[in-house]
Amino acid sequence: QLVLTQSPSASASLGASVKLTCTLSSGHSSYAIAWHQQQPEKGPRYLMKLNSDGSHSKGDGIPDRFSGSSSGAERYLTISSLQSEDEADYYCQTWGTGIQGVFGGGTKLTVL
Amino acid sequence: QVTLKESGPVLVKPTETLTLTCTVSGFSLSNARMGVSWIRQPPGKALEWLAHIFSNDEKSYSTSLKSRLTISKDTSKSQVVLTMTNMDPVDTATYYCARSKWFDPWGQGTLVTVSS
Repeated sequence: QLVLTQSPSASASLGASVKLTCTLSSGHSSYAIAWHQQQPEKGPRYLMKLNSDGSHSKGDGIPDRFSGSSSGAERYLTISSLQSEDEADYYCQTWGTGIQGVFGGGTKLTVL
Repeated sequence: QVTLKESGPVLVKPTETLTLTCTVSGFSLSNARMGVSWIRQPPGKALEWLAHIFSNDEKSYSTSLKSRLTISKDTSKSQVVLTMTNMDPVDTATYYCARSKWFDPWGQGTLVTVSS
């Protein structure tokens, strides 16, 4: 069964960079994922689709500060030059066997 | 500009059936790869995928909720409808629809409260 694992929380200072991780369960290291951002009291926003080779396609209007990369079963979201509005929950998402949508548990990012 | 907007009741009673409508604009539901998913989020909790309907009308449901869900679409009205039977207070959540398999973009969501 496909599972996406995310750390519950992360923090970084204003202006710094942070790298969030989404780990695909065993046997699924070739899967693409998507990253979504949910700011407080708002709905989710699509950030990017991230392939296993690290190539990614970002959504409309997503700043260059957001980038993605991959290594094995790990999928990363890097946010550089952190701003206060980057404080949000970040979810990874993919599709499992039998066309089942799957979300990670989300990472709450705090900007210090 | 692609937009999706959810609509439906704000409050439903336990055991009732919930019917939600997602009205889309800026794309056609008949275009290949332009499927629509429904996702929900209980207050303070993570996102949960519910169902997806493809452009060819193929449907997929969450394994855990499959017996209670039905997804359908009316291409001429640009609408995707989700019904969920036998509602319970634990189904209280914000319900979102989103385009394509990568949920780009999302609708604004609609909060549904289940209470007698």
